[in-house]
Amino acid sequence: DAGITQSPRHKVTETGTPVTLRCHQTENHRYMYWYRQDPGHGLRLIHYSYGVKDTDKGEVSDGYSVSRSKTEDFLLTLESATSSQTSVYFCAISELTGTDTQYFGPGTRLTVL
Amino acid sequence: EDQVTQSPEALRLQEGESSSLNCSYTVSGLRGLFWYRQDPGKGPEFLFTLYSAGEEKEKERLKATLTKKESFLHITAPKPEDSATYLCAARGGSQGNLIFGKGTKLSVKP
Repeated sequence: DAGITQSPRHKVTETGTPVTLRCHQTENHRYMYWYRQDPGHGLRLIHYSYGVKDTDKGEVSDGYSVSRSKTEDFLLTLESATSSQTSVYFCAISELTGTDTQYFGPGTRLTVL
Repeated sequence: EDQVTQSPEALRLQEGESSSLNCSYTVSGLRGLFWYRQDPGKGPEFLFTLYSAGEEKEKERLKATLTKKESFLHITAPKPEDSATYLCAARGGSQGNLIFGKGTKLSVKP
């Protein structure tokens, strides 16, 4: 298994509360991604990073921000959580871009009440 | 619009009953077609990447094929442990990001 951990694995929070999810990798891969997975939808890209301090938006980036200060860590922040952000969040990594394979972490289940 | 569609949404098979899962895609400039397996409560696990029409890859009871419009995941003589959701994703489009289908949930009964 690719060396990817996500924390926390489960979180329940209240509307309006800030939340930060962490993805940590031990593979030294350049690219890191945050996805969300909801019933009735495929995995959808939120943000991705192509290097330390280099990030870009994905398909569903509104309400989310990211930061990457070290190669191994990629943080996803919900500044003010809403119920529509209740989801399962997956981190993925890849060594290169273009045709390269993405490997996924175990996921974080977030519930916003 | 770039899109990936998987069918059927759910498939129930008896152990040993071979079948195929379909993934049709409309993605400009395809740069890879990916298959993943996802077990409940876990992250997607990589299975195959296909890059060009006519390409085939195999792993145990699974074989993936690719045409210019679709990909198939053939499952030969499935076992209950093959039960999972199978995800298809295409890389392409203007940004080159992965576009996922909604998945096919496979159940194999003994």
